[in-house]
Amino acid sequence: NAGVTQTPKFQVLKTGQSMTLQCAQDMNHNSMYWYRQDPGMGLRLIYYSASEGTTDKGEVPNGYNVSRLNKREFSLRLESAAPSQTSVYFCASSEARGLAGTDTQYFGPGTRLTVL
Amino acid sequence: GDSVTQMEGPVTLSEEAFLTINCTYTATGYPSLFWYVQYPGEGLQLLLKATKADDKGSNKGFEATYRKETTSFHLEKGSVQVSDSAVYFCASASGGSYIPTFGRGTSLIVHP
Repeated sequence: NAGVTQTPKFQVLKTGQSMTLQCAQDMNHNSMYWYRQDPGMGLRLIYYSASEGTTDKGEVPNGYNVSRLNKREFSLRLESAAPSQTSVYFCASSEARGLAGTDTQYFGPGTRLTVL
Repeated sequence: GDSVTQMEGPVTLSEEAFLTINCTYTATGYPSLFWYVQYPGEGLQLLLKATKADDKGSNKGFEATYRKETTSFHLEKGSVQVSDSAVYFCASASGGSYIPTFGRGTSLIVHP
């Protein structure tokens, strides 16, 4: 049981390049999330998928797109990377079946992205 | 929407010292409250949670009590270890949403 896995672990891009961050979970969770973590800013939600087939914007969606490929996988795409997107990106999942508000989020190990 | 405020760090302590990290929240209704911990180079993991007023969450020697009257969920540990060095995040989630609101995190550094 691997939990939440993310690839790649590290990435360096030049301004204007594109890339896709991959995320997969093996816990049969309904909901999945993408966050970015910046010094002094805590965690900020980029996009989330409440269930397979749905995606919604979070707090900071500009410059990103997502795809919920199936129940297990949720990818984040940067179409034209900018230095402001240098950050650590975390994928998370949660069961989202019981009482809303009581859910635990399970996080991947993160992708450290630098945009030059 | 919900908001969470936690004390700024870093908090620097010697081993075996007492730890308190303050967290207060604003929310409509009665949210669930969480503490997550992030060890260096890793993702966040749940440390403890409480889902209703007066509940106490506990794990690995850490405790936090859900105080409705003061809208607080302060994290405490009686005797910290070097291995507790990490960033601690307080979070709240209101009924009707599976998406928590996170505080900005508090870095804890424990010296031998």
